[in-house]
Order: sequence, then C-alpha cells, then structure tokens
Amino acid sequence: DVKVTQSSRYLVKRTGEKVFLECVQDMDHENMFWYRQDPGLGLRLIYFSYDVKMKEKGDIPEGYSVSREKKERFSLILESASTNQTSMYLCASSRHPYNSPLHFGNGTRLTVT
Amino acid sequence: DAKTTQPNSMESNEEEPVHLPCNHSTISGTDYIHWYRQLPSQGPEYVIHGLTSNVNNRMASLAIAEDRKSSTLILHRATLRDAAVYYCILRGSGAGSYQLTFGKGTKLSVIP
Repeated sequence: DVKVTQSSRYLVKRTGEKVFLECVQDMDHENMFWYRQDPGLGLRLIYFSYDVKMKEKGDIPEGYSVSREKKERFSLILESASTNQTSMYLCASSRHPYNSPLHFGNGTRLTVT
Repeated sequence: DAKTTQPNSMESNEEEPVHLPCNHSTISGTDYIHWYRQLPSQGPEYVIHGLTSNVNNRMASLAIAEDRKSSTLILHRATLRDAAVYYCILRGSGAGSYQLTFGKGTKLSVIP
C-alpha cells in the first residue's frame, strides 16, 4: 500500500513564525500536492510538484512556498504564519498526473495563535 | 478548469444501494472522473476513477453517462462505515489538469 506520511498531526505556532510542514511518500510518485481544508470550503490546492525541484502554484499560493529537493519529500513552508492560516493541511501524491489515484496523508492540523 | 456539482447531502438506509450523482457538464475529452471519500479526522481516500466506460472495483461502481456530462458512484450495500463526505473531481490532460481543487462534496449519512 502507498503510504503518505505527514510529519505532525497537530501543530501550534505563533503569528510570525516560520513553519515547515513535511510530507514523505514511499511509492516513488512523480506528482505531489499540498491542500488546505477549511469547513464549508472543501479542499483547496496550494501548490503541486510534478518532478524534483519543479513546482506550480495552485489556487491559493499566497503566503506559502514549497520545496522538493528529493522525489519522496515535499515540504510546505509558511514564511510568516498568520492566524488565517489556521487550517487542516493535507499532502497527496500520485504516479500519473491524472490516470492514477491520489493518495493522501492523514493531515496536519495547524493552529496559529 | 472543469468543475463538478454534487448534492450537499444524502441519506441511505443500511444495506440499501446508494447512488451518488455528480454533474460535470464542462468535462473535456481527456478528463478522468475520480471519486474520493473522507471519513472524520482522516485524509481523503481514493474510491474509483474512469474515463468513458463504467468501472467496478471492490469498493464501488462508477456509471458514466454516454455524453460524459454526469456520473454516478454506486455503493451496492451501504454500511455504517460508508458514512463519509464523497468528492467527485476531474483530472485531465487539458489546460489546468493540475488544478485538482475539490468542491464541498456530498455528505452521506447511513441510517441503521
């Protein structure tokens, strides 16, 4: 089974801190994604990567950046955390960009105070 | 960017079949139809996907309309463990193929 592991289940950070959310997949997938999920808004795509060192903006990239130095790892960075970034963050990976399943991690619930 | 439309909520009795509809009238010829479900406090879980033909797997069946503007996820016998939010999304090779934004989905309640 594909495993997508997010480094933390819960995080509490202060406003202005730099925050790193880590995601690792064990199936050699080319494509990796970061979403945030908020009540009533569904899942919104922040950034995705289709290869090492490649990244593309999703629907809501403002306030975020990403890093993909190795194929198995995709990091989401909040340069200066703000309270409106309090959310559930979900990482996903897939082998093919559209003809294979997305595999999700269990999420990181981030609270910014 | 092709969008999908789903009912906000549906109810089913346990052990009855469930048909979850999804409209995607702007689908392009290269878009695959994917279904995921999300249980409370978990990440979404893949259910099934297809392009043109109906698809079956151990979890569900996917019925795709001939014009591909709509599809239906079929759970053959609902169980309490099937209570979840179900998302229908399109993934394709056209412009915006990586814009995999999920909508609000359909919340399925299963009545014992």
